Amino acid sequence: EVLLVESGGGLVKPGGSLTLSCAASGFTFRSYTMNWVRQAPGKGLEWVSSISSSSIYMYYADSVKGRFTISRDNAKNSLFLQMNSLSAEDTGVYYCARLSGSGNDFWGQGTLVTVSS
Amino acid sequence: EIVLTQSPATLSLSPGERATLSCGASQSVSSSHLAWYQQKPGLAPRLLIYEASSRATGIPDRFSGSGSGTDFTLTISRLEPEDFAVYYCQQCGSSPWTFGQGTKVEIK
Repeated sequence: EVLLVESGGGLVKPGGSLTLSCAASGFTFRSYTMNWVRQAPGKGLEWVSSISSSSIYMYYADSVKGRFTISRDNAKNSLFLQMNSLSAEDTGVYYCARLSGSGNDFWGQGTLVTVSS
Repeated sequence: EIVLTQSPATLSLSPGERATLSCGASQSVSSSHLAWYQQKPGLAPRLLIYEASSRATGIPDRFSGSGSGTDFTLTISRLEPEDFAVYYCQQCGSSPWTFGQGTKVEIK
């Protein structure tokens, strides 16, 4: 069974930093591009970042470029999102998702990030 | 950036009716890179359609996708009670990958 479990969310002050993790199991993690997608409260989905299977390619939404860093550890079946200079606009549920073809076919349950003083 | 515009924002229909959801792109999107998702409150999105017209594993055949270039459509042939939800299209052919703003299918 494919499982993606996010962790690391919480309350952080504006300007602060947070690192999210996503533990993957049930599939060959090193073979898949992985994504982070977020959703602000009551809003739609926003793609945040993607990383290719061997970390050669990394892509970011303009809204996070220069502040967020995506990485992965294929030996530990883990995906990460380092988030710096956080603002209230970064508040939301962060999902990790596996890309298969042109669709994200498996998603985690999400982890909530709240940026507030 | 490719902007995806979904219409209508809200669709009010009864169970058993046909739902037609549109996703328009500001630039041409390869059909290979267009997907549709369903999301219910408090849950993660679920992949319905990938490559514009291929149903994901376990998705009922009442869901179908079509389109090419800048115009894509998700059709639900006969709405079941569990289909009332928010639906999103997404393109992953050109970075930044983008989602549409969503269409809410609600019970009339």
